[in-house]
Amino acid sequence: EAGVTQFPSHSVIEKGQTVTLRCDPISGHDNLYWYRRVMGKEIKFLLHFVKESKQDESGMPNNRFLAERTGGTYSTLKVQPAELEDSGVYFCASSQTTGTGYGYTFGSGTRLTVV
Amino acid sequence: AQSVAQPEDQVNVAEGNPLTVKCTYSVSGNPYLFWYVQYPNRGLQFLLKYITGDNLVKGSYGFEAEFNKSQTSFHLKKPSALVSDSALYFCAAFSGTYKYIFGTGTRLKVLA
Repeated sequence: EAGVTQFPSHSVIEKGQTVTLRCDPISGHDNLYWYRRVMGKEIKFLLHFVKESKQDESGMPNNRFLAERTGGTYSTLKVQPAELEDSGVYFCASSQTTGTGYGYTFGSGTRLTVV
Repeated sequence: AQSVAQPEDQVNVAEGNPLTVKCTYSVSGNPYLFWYVQYPNRGLQFLLKYITGDNLVKGSYGFEAEFNKSQTSFHLKKPSALVSDSALYFCAAFSGTYKYIFGTGTRLKVLA
């Protein structure tokens, strides 16, 4: 079974530019999540999709972040315009069910550096 | 605010010695508790979980964790460390809000 795939693995952009991160979940997983780890800090929840619908986007930092999951398959997370504090590792995860925290598969993350 | 604390940024241990990575939580209700590990250039991998029942839970790669409700702790342990255990370890709580609350991570370095 293929895992959760994220790309790019690394991205270095200048402040003010736009970056789009992509996540391909495990096939058949209706639930898709984005988390972020800012350097040295805890991994924080950003949002949760159920199929193509946003179930919970309470962790999105501000309106410079836009997440989509068209067709309920892969998801993109766009940061526009990027700021220095957006640097960090962005993790995507997927699961068949939700409610217990068990059965989540995480991707290897996208390391974003804004300079 | 709900939180998970990992008080040590890094833990160093000699190969063959027992290891402990500490975790405490401040989460309402009876959260499910997890340990994840991240090896370089890899995703977060599930190690073990506590839902209910026996306070000592066993997981992958010989790791175990002890749940202590009175101390709100969930420390990760292994009787004999391997160099290959060197990685970044995250403790997490999963609450009724259907999201993980992670700690800041502890880097484990096992010295040969």
